[in-house]
Amino acid sequence: DQQVKQNSPSLSVQEGRISILNCDYTNSMFDYFLWYKKYPAEGPTFLISISSIKDKNEDGRFTVFLNKSAKHLSLHIVPSQPGDSAVYFCAASLLTGNQFYFGTGTSLTVIP
Amino acid sequence: GAVVSQHPSRVICKSGTSVKIECRSLDFQATTMFWYRQFPKQSLMLMATSNEGSKATYEQGVEKDKFLINHASLTLSTLTVTSAHPEDSSFYICRAGGTDTQYFGPGTRLTVL
Repeated sequence: DQQVKQNSPSLSVQEGRISILNCDYTNSMFDYFLWYKKYPAEGPTFLISISSIKDKNEDGRFTVFLNKSAKHLSLHIVPSQPGDSAVYFCAASLLTGNQFYFGTGTSLTVIP
Repeated sequence: GAVVSQHPSRVICKSGTSVKIECRSLDFQATTMFWYRQFPKQSLMLMATSNEGSKATYEQGVEKDKFLINHASLTLSTLTVTSAHPEDSSFYICRAGGTDTQYFGPGTRLTVL
């Protein structure tokens, strides 16, 4: 049972424009969310996180938005750069626990 | 620099052989290690959680006798795939630490012929 879902397997965006990656979850107990970036044959690299007490967290070009009532979070990348081309995973967990539940990933391609 | 390393990065083996994958935390002590596997175009699936000095806790559906996990020290955990079969071919990734630790290892690509 997939508790974290990324319904868009791929996304293409022009360089300089905004990339919006979406993620939905089913477990209302999740209170900590993360986004990871992954290149082929490499481990995931942490990008940004947000806890459920906030609805927005910003770090440079990356902003994560959390809508708890909709059980939805999104990652905005602006402006998008070709180096951002990778697979992006969202993950959810309980702050009190160690287990992360991952989405299936969205492959982002930023076109120069 | 990398805070979690994995060795080997890539391994090809014959069916029926065993393969050991090491995960090391380089500059911190990891009381907990997590092992994941990822099939192409699929999510990272947690296989097991191990705490230093104790037996690993396996997720449902993961055979503990096939995927042996050892966490003998605070900086090293190993995953041994015993009697590997082609369906075990996958990308295996470790994560060291806890909720506040965001670092994964670079992963090991296992191909079983």
